[in-house]
This record gives sequence, C-alpha cells and structure tokens, in this order.
Amino acid sequence: DAGVTQSPTHLIKTRGQQVTLRCSPKSGHDTVSWYQQALGQGPQFIFQYYEEEERQRGNFPDRFSGHQYPNYSSELNVNALLLGDSALYLCASSLAGSNSPLHFGNGTRLTVT
Amino acid sequence: AQKVTQAQTEISVVEKEDVTLDCVYETRDTTYYLFWYKQPPSGELVFLIRRNSFDEQNEISGRYSWNFQKSTSSFNFTITASQVVDSAVYFCALSEDKNAGNMLTFGGGTRLMVKP
Repeated sequence: DAGVTQSPTHLIKTRGQQVTLRCSPKSGHDTVSWYQQALGQGPQFIFQYYEEEERQRGNFPDRFSGHQYPNYSSELNVNALLLGDSALYLCASSLAGSNSPLHFGNGTRLTVT
Repeated sequence: AQKVTQAQTEISVVEKEDVTLDCVYETRDTTYYLFWYKQPPSGELVFLIRRNSFDEQNEISGRYSWNFQKSTSSFNFTITASQVVDSAVYFCALSEDKNAGNMLTFGGGTRLMVKP
C-alpha cells in the first residue's frame, strides 16, 4: 500500500524562475493538501484540492497555484520564485468525508538562489 | 484567528527520562480538533493523535500520553521512559470543525533530542 509520494525530493532554482512539484496521494485517498515548511518553522497550509478544484486556500499569493488530475494526483506550481520561497513543501492526502487524519509525504526541498 | 504556540523550541533529555512537550492554542470556535505529529529527519509528518474539543479524556498509548485541558487551552504530550528513537521534531496542530482536520494550523514545533 503506497503512501503519499512526492517528486522531486530536492530542487534548486533561481529567483524569477517557475517550479512544479508533484504529489501522488495514498492509495484510496481523493483529497490533496499542500503545506510550506520554512526552515525551523511549522508547516503552513497553502491550499487543498478535491474533485479537481481548489476547495480551500491559505494566506499565499497567486504565484502559488495548483492542479489536481482525475487520478487524484496533484501539482503545485510557483511562479516568479523569491528567495523566501525556499522551504520544504509537503503534500498530504485524505479521503473526503472519512474523518481520517492527513497522511503526509516526505516533501520536496526547494532551494531558491 | 487560530494560533498554536509551542514555547519549547528545543528539549534535550537523557534516555529513560520522562519528557513533556507543551502546546497552547487559541481559537474562537467551540468545535475544533487538536493533533500531534512527529517529524523525523526524513521529513515526513507522522500522525500521533487527534482529539476533538468535546473529548477531554486523557489518552495513553504505550509510552505516549496526552493531557487535554480546555480550561487552559492546552494539549500537552508526555513521553515516558524516552528512547533515542524518540528524537524528532514534534508539532502540535489545530483544525476547525468544518475542515474536519484537513486544514491544519501548526505550532512552531519542539525539537526533542534524546541522548543515550
């Protein structure tokens, strides 16, 4: 039973560039959430996708966007990268209506230089 | 607005000592969920426990126990007879009922180091 998988594990980008991070939810899950975790801090909620639509969004600028595919996998896109976007990006999945807790992946470490 | 505070940024103990990680939260909601997650060096957040605001019964799971007190808005986590494998960053988190635990507000985390 595969858990939440994220790719790539590490990424280095330059300011101003764009990046796409990918997530496959745990088998049987249909909802994907993304979190940003800056070094030494707790994760912060970016947004959540269900039925291929953004359902909830945290306090992040429009440079952060996402997508969910029919197979429930998801992408997080960040445009016009800033140095402050350097962080661990965590994907979490759950099953809508099941009241189950979130299952997290190992994250993608993004470094912006 | 919701807020979770973990005042202890780092704790160091010797193996077999008991250790308590503090968590204080703020919310205007009467119905909410509280969580603890463990983050080992691999980065993955591992779910430990969830409590809803109407269930103040303390819980024990092996060497882990949790003390939920609504009167002081606290949800503290105790590890009894700590082990080196308990070394990790521990996060307390809060979620409004309508999110049913999907949109979490995390505290800043407490790094626990257990020395042999």
